[in-house]
Amino acid sequence: DQQVKQNSPSLSVQEGRISILNCDYTNSMFDYFLWYKKYPAEGPTFLISISSIKDKNEDGRFTVFLNKSAKHLSLHIVPSQPGDSAVYFCAASASLIGVRGGADGLTFGKGTHLIIQP
Amino acid sequence: GAVVSQHPSWVICKSGTSVKIECRSLDFQATTMFWYRQFPKQSLMLMATSNEGSKATYEQGVEKDKFLINHASLTLSTLTVTSAHPEDSSFYICSARDEGAGSSYNSPLHFGNGTRLTVT
Repeated sequence: DQQVKQNSPSLSVQEGRISILNCDYTNSMFDYFLWYKKYPAEGPTFLISISSIKDKNEDGRFTVFLNKSAKHLSLHIVPSQPGDSAVYFCAASASLIGVRGGADGLTFGKGTHLIIQP
Repeated sequence: GAVVSQHPSWVICKSGTSVKIECRSLDFQATTMFWYRQFPKQSLMLMATSNEGSKATYEQGVEKDKFLINHASLTLSTLTVTSAHPEDSSFYICSARDEGAGSSYNSPLHFGNGTRLTVT
């Protein structure tokens, strides 16, 4: 059962435009969400996160929005740059120990391959 | 920033042999490290939580006798794939939190670069 879903395997965006990556989750115990960026042959690197007590967190060109009622979050990248081309993983965790993938680790989506076209 | 080093980055082995993968936290201590496995176009799946000085905690469906984990020091965890078979071919990644920076669930994990295992 996929608890974190990224339904778009790939996304192509023109340089300078906005990239919007979506993520849905099913486990209501998740209360912290993260986005990781991964280049080929490298491990994921942390990008931005958001706690469930917020609905928006912004860091430079990256903004994450959280809609708890819809169990949906999105990552916005504005403006998109060629170096943003990578696979983006949405991940979730829970403050309660014992929740699968929670404090013991993270539950990841399958990732979305973002391609920024010049 | 915190760095996690994973070695080797890729390995090819024959069926039936064992392979050891090392995960080191280079500039911080980690009493807990996590091992993930990723199949092509799939999520990173948590396999087990490695605990320094005690037994690892395995996720449901992961064979503990197949995937041996040892966390002998605060900076090193190893994953040994025993009697490897072609279906064990995958991308294995370790991660850890910088516990000096706070070990709460909302501290980002730092990942190694992964190990590509191919069993022939």
